[in-house]
Amino acid sequence: DQQVKQNSPSLSVQEGRISILNCDYTNSMFDYFLWYKKYPAEGPTFLISISSIKDKNEDGRFTVFLNKSAKHLSLHIVPSQPGDSAVYFCAASESIGTYKYIFGTGTRLKVLA
Amino acid sequence: DVKVTQSSRYLVKRTGEKVFLECVQDMDHENMFWYRQDPGLGLRLIYFSYDVKMKEKGDIPEGYSVSREKKERFSLILESASTNQTSMYLCASSPLGPSSPLHFGNGTRLTVT
Repeated sequence: DQQVKQNSPSLSVQEGRISILNCDYTNSMFDYFLWYKKYPAEGPTFLISISSIKDKNEDGRFTVFLNKSAKHLSLHIVPSQPGDSAVYFCAASESIGTYKYIFGTGTRLKVLA
Repeated sequence: DVKVTQSSRYLVKRTGEKVFLECVQDMDHENMFWYRQDPGLGLRLIYFSYDVKMKEKGDIPEGYSVSREKKERFSLILESASTNQTSMYLCASSPLGPSSPLHFGNGTRLTVT
């Protein structure tokens, strides 16, 4: 049972436009969410996070939105750049307990120059 | 900057061999994790450890074991490698406490023939 889902395996966006990556979760106990970016042959790197007490967190070109009632989060990248081309994973965890992180299946973003 | 080092980038092993994957972190993190990444399946947690000599099973522990004799080192052991264990293996660490991002190594691509 996939507790964290990324239903779009891939996304193509023109340089300069907005990229929106989506993630859905089923476990209502999740209260901390993260986005990671992964280039080929490298480990994932942490991008941005949000806790369930917020509905938005912004860091430069990256903004994460959380809709708890819909159990949905999204990552917005504005403006998109060719260097943003990578696989993006969302992850979720419960703050109480053993701090396991459950990852989605990833979305491959391609930013076209 | 946190550094998580995986001892091998690429490994080729034969079916039935015992395989050791080593991971070392230099930030005195309490938590360490082993994930595997497969196309279409995202990152799946194999085992994690929240203290020396402590370990917990993740979602797919079958066929694997782990060892954490020192805080900085977390080893993944494939007792008898099989072809379905061909994968990218990712080690990660994080400090104790909730809401802390994972820091990943660059991964070990293991091929079992």
